Amino acid sequence: QQQVKQSPQSLIVQKGGISIINCAYENTAFDYFPWYQQFPGKGPALLIAIRPDVSEKKEGRFTISFNKSAKQFSLHIMDSQPGDSATYFCAASRRGGNQFYFGTGTSLTVIP
Amino acid sequence: EAQVTQNPRYLITVTGKKLTVTCSQNMNHEYMSWYRQDPGLGLRQIYYSMNVEVTDKGDVPEGYKVSRKEKRNFPLILESPSPNQTSLYFCASSYYRGDQPQHFGDGTRLSIL
Repeated sequence: QQQVKQSPQSLIVQKGGISIINCAYENTAFDYFPWYQQFPGKGPALLIAIRPDVSEKKEGRFTISFNKSAKQFSLHIMDSQPGDSATYFCAASRRGGNQFYFGTGTSLTVIP
Repeated sequence: EAQVTQNPRYLITVTGKKLTVTCSQNMNHEYMSWYRQDPGLGLRQIYYSMNVEVTDKGDVPEGYKVSRKEKRNFPLILESPSPNQTSLYFCASSYYRGDQPQHFGDGTRLSIL
């Protein structure tokens, strides 16, 4: 069964708009939640990550919002640019853990 | 340049013919892991290694073997490949455990006929 559920599967956003991708998990032992960005022909690359001691983390145009009680976290891309067009994966693992669980991915297209 | 290198990048082979995908990292990382990526399923962890001679199963280990005889190398072995192992494979490494930033290779696309 999928440990981390991700939606939507695909997303089309106008340049300058906000892209929002959502993830949900069930295992309350998870406490590391990264987002990875993948371009065609390349491996995933870490974009931003959060631990549940904070509800939000921002790095440039990218923000993770975390809702511990709802067991949900989301990625917000502000002022989306065509160069942001990629596949985005959320993931989760336990603190100190070695098993890693990815969501199913969201293909983002930002149109000029 | 810090990198994770996988070889080959592409391989077409036949059912039952043993194959090895190599993975090497130059960052002195202790943790290494293998994933497969399939449409609609995202990335799923096959095996991981916490250090030399220490490996463990991930979510989908059936049909795969790994070894970690040197810190920098973590080969993935398919002893008797089957068509359901046709996939895009990624190797990754991180400093010393899984809940840290992982550096990924550029992938190996395997087709098993």
